[in-house]
Amino acid sequence: AQSVTQLGSHVSVSEGALVLLRCNYSSSVPPYLFWYVQYPNQGLQLLLKYTSAATLVKGINGFEAEFKKSETSFHLTKPSAHMSDAAEYFCAVSGSGGYNKLIFGAGTRLAVHP
Amino acid sequence: DGGITQSPKYLFRKEGQNVTLSCEQNLNHDAMYWYRQDPGQGLRLIYYSQIVNDFQKGDIAEGYSVSREKKESFPLTVTSAQKNPTAFYLCASSRDSLNTEAFFGQGTRLTVV
Repeated sequence: AQSVTQLGSHVSVSEGALVLLRCNYSSSVPPYLFWYVQYPNQGLQLLLKYTSAATLVKGINGFEAEFKKSETSFHLTKPSAHMSDAAEYFCAVSGSGGYNKLIFGAGTRLAVHP
Repeated sequence: DGGITQSPKYLFRKEGQNVTLSCEQNLNHDAMYWYRQDPGQGLRLIYYSQIVNDFQKGDIAEGYSVSREKKESFPLTVTSAQKNPTAFYLCASSRDSLNTEAFFGQGTRLTVV
């Protein structure tokens, strides 16, 4: 069975500091991995996705993530946090079950302070 | 503009009532999904549909029902059998059901009063 673990339900950084949101997955098949962002009372927006083409994936708003098979990780990073990055971030995995079943992590709420 | 529209944004239900949440997409996507979001639990799959006139139960289907009579529409009914319906409900669609990215609506917040 597939699963996703996001380490840290809350992360707080200063504006301009590095953002690192951690995601570990388990999958018995080559996974497809996604990061989504959610602003309060809104739906989810895709930040980036890994589909085996390249291990370093660049997304929108300056975010990127690196797929590390040996560590079963797909951590999300941004070199310099902006106040507008404050939101909840979800890591998700798919790849088995015969349909696009996205398995989501519990989410990490990012706070950015001046 | 192409996208997914959920309505209403906020919904209040009395105990014992059924309510239906609307989800419409104009992306020409085959697959559609309903997720439930509770604080600290991520998103859990309620139902999904890979094609018109077909749908399958997800991980937490009890107390919910769906229909897929048209490609663009996938309404969710929260029945009185759902013991704890207060949550944020998200509808999504994808081009097909094979690992393509999902696009989400803005959500419906359901509160039982």
